[in-house]
Amino acid sequence: EVQVVESGGGLVKPGGSLRLSCVVSGFNFSSYSMNWVRQAPGRGLEWVSSIDSSSTYIYYADSVKGRFTVSRDNAKNSLYLQMKSLRAEDTAVFYCARLPLSSGHGMDVWGQGTTVTVSS
Amino acid sequence: SYDLTQPLSVSVSPGQTASISCSGENLGDKYVSWYQQRPGQSPVLVISQDTRRPSGIPERLSGSNSGNTATLTIRGTQAMDEADYYCQAWDGSTVVFGGGTKLTVL
Repeated sequence: EVQVVESGGGLVKPGGSLRLSCVVSGFNFSSYSMNWVRQAPGRGLEWVSSIDSSSTYIYYADSVKGRFTVSRDNAKNSLYLQMKSLRAEDTAVFYCARLPLSSGHGMDVWGQGTTVTVSS
Repeated sequence: SYDLTQPLSVSVSPGQTASISCSGENLGDKYVSWYQQRPGQSPVLVISQDTRRPSGIPERLSGSNSGNTATLTIRGTQAMDEADYYCQAWDGSTVVFGGGTKLTVL
């Protein structure tokens, strides 16, 4: 069974840091690009970051550039999001999503999400 | 930055056809995907690459994309289709989501 499981969310003070993890199973992780997508309470989906299968191509939304760092460990079937200088507006559910290599394909597998709350 | 515009809400009667639009400059030149998100659940890919349905998605759902508008069409709408729907495209190497449309089945 294909699975994507996020963890690492929690309550953090403004200016603090947090590291999210995403562990996958049931498919060849090293063959897929991966994305982080977040959703603030009551709001829509916002793309955060993407990383290709070999960590060669990495992209960020302007809203997190310079504060968030995405990485992956193909040997551990794991994706990470290191977040620093967190702000109240970063409060959201963070989803890890798989992206097939086919051009223009949508994100076809999503995790259940992990909640990040930034508050003093 | 590239913007995708969706109507905030669409209402449809059971059994009727619902159409949800997604507008962006020259959107027809890009691939569009659609996601369904039921309350309290994670998004689910329902249309990929403009028109392709992933395995398990009913044939009632279809997509099109031309000019400046992509459209998700749901025929024979059922109560289970009530959800938020998001379009998504690529702007170069970055991902763009529309603001989302709440589909209400009255």
